[in-house]
Amino acid sequence: QVQLVQSGAEVKKPGASVKVSCKASGYTFTGYFFHWVRQAPGQGLEWMGIIDPSDGTTHYAQKFQGRMTMTRDASTSTVYMDLSSLRSNDTAMYYCARDQDFGGNPGYWGQGTLVTVSS
Amino acid sequence: EVVLTQSPATLSVSPGDRATLSCRASQSVGSNLAWYQQKPGQAPRLLIYGTSTRATGIPAKFSGSGSGTDFTLSISSLQSEDSAVYYCQQYNYWPQIFGGGTKVEIK
Repeated sequence: QVQLVQSGAEVKKPGASVKVSCKASGYTFTGYFFHWVRQAPGQGLEWMGIIDPSDGTTHYAQKFQGRMTMTRDASTSTVYMDLSSLRSNDTAMYYCARDQDFGGNPGYWGQGTLVTVSS
Repeated sequence: EVVLTQSPATLSVSPGDRATLSCRASQSVGSNLAWYQQKPGQAPRLLIYGTSTRATGIPAKFSGSGSGTDFTLSISSLQSEDSAVYYCQQYNYWPQIFGGGTKVEIK
């Protein structure tokens, strides 16, 4: 079965960077796109970007362009999300999600990684 | 960028009743509209994709309809376990946008 396991919670200071990993299993890693979605405390869902694990092609929401980098390592079936120049309003739960079986929207979700930005 | 407006913000319904949630897009998204359920402390769960197709394992009490700019999620025979926030999402364009959510409460 499809499983996405994310790295553990992080606490960072303003201005720092964070790198979150998402390890996939239970299917062919290169067959489906990955999304990154975040959720600030008590707020809604915010789509951040998408990566094609077969060739590393990415698309970022304009809000995160230049500050976010998505990469993948096919040898370990892992995708990564790097967010730099962190500020307090980046405090959120960060989710990776894989395309669902029949379309381009997220269908399988990781458990989330809480990133706290605090001085 | 597409804007998705969900209404109402909060819906309070009695057990056994039917809930109707609305999602309106600022421009046509075709049929590329999905619905998610999120319970406290959990990741979102895909309910509906392609406007009206239930995801694997989703019971028939959840149904989606609409096209273009106006979409509806209906939940029949509400039970306590249906208490959650429901989000619509368009995936016709990048960036994929989520609506602000509708919180469903069971009286």
